[in-house]
Amino acid sequence: NAGVTQTPKFQVLKTGQSMTLQCAQDMNHEYMSWYRQDPGMGLRLIHYSVGAGITDQGEVPNGYNVSRSTTEDFPLRLLSAAPSQTSVYFCASRSTGQGAMNTEAFFGQGTRLTVV
Amino acid sequence: TQLLEQSPQFLSIQEGENLTVYCNSSSVFSSLQWYRQEPGEGPVLLVTVVTGGEVKKLKRLTFQFGDARKDSSLHITAAQPGDTGLYLCAGARPNFGNEKLTFGTGTRLTIIP
Repeated sequence: NAGVTQTPKFQVLKTGQSMTLQCAQDMNHEYMSWYRQDPGMGLRLIHYSVGAGITDQGEVPNGYNVSRSTTEDFPLRLLSAAPSQTSVYFCASRSTGQGAMNTEAFFGQGTRLTVV
Repeated sequence: TQLLEQSPQFLSIQEGENLTVYCNSSSVFSSLQWYRQEPGEGPVLLVTVVTGGEVKKLKRLTFQFGDARKDSSLHITAAQPGDTGLYLCAGARPNFGNEKLTFGTGTRLTIIP
């Protein structure tokens, strides 16, 4: 009953360091996405993928890279961490296709990242 | 630019009272979802509304989609402490079967026992 699993749950980085946030799902969902959550701003889309080998930018992609080599995994890489990237990061997955019910998103528990 | 604005941003009321949370946009959405998020957890889907004017009830929660599919409301009757949480609306915009979800700014609800 794993659903969407994110690691780590907490991370502190120094400015300029790089790291990878891991995300895995076991529901065979084609669509995976990364959001960041900041106070008063809801969830903002960073990058998304509609299937293995396909990725695209969301509304706030700068400073982040993604790849999708398998259906299950969708890691998010911070290339050179900055204090502005301090946030809570959520990975989500869902099935795709015609119909509104296919847009239900299942979220991981989040990664709380602090950049000092 | 935030496509979906929620109001109020914060709401603190006594147990047993009624409340309404609003989600407004100038854009049309193919569907509108409401999620609830508890501390340390990811958002969890409460409901999806699809048709303009649609009303859905989930126990004490009533969700309505505006006639023009640009806005939505969530009404809670006789609020309970278990209703405390962050409520997020999310609109799906048509994208050839891969609808993107745009999230609102959120309403943080606290129910005081």
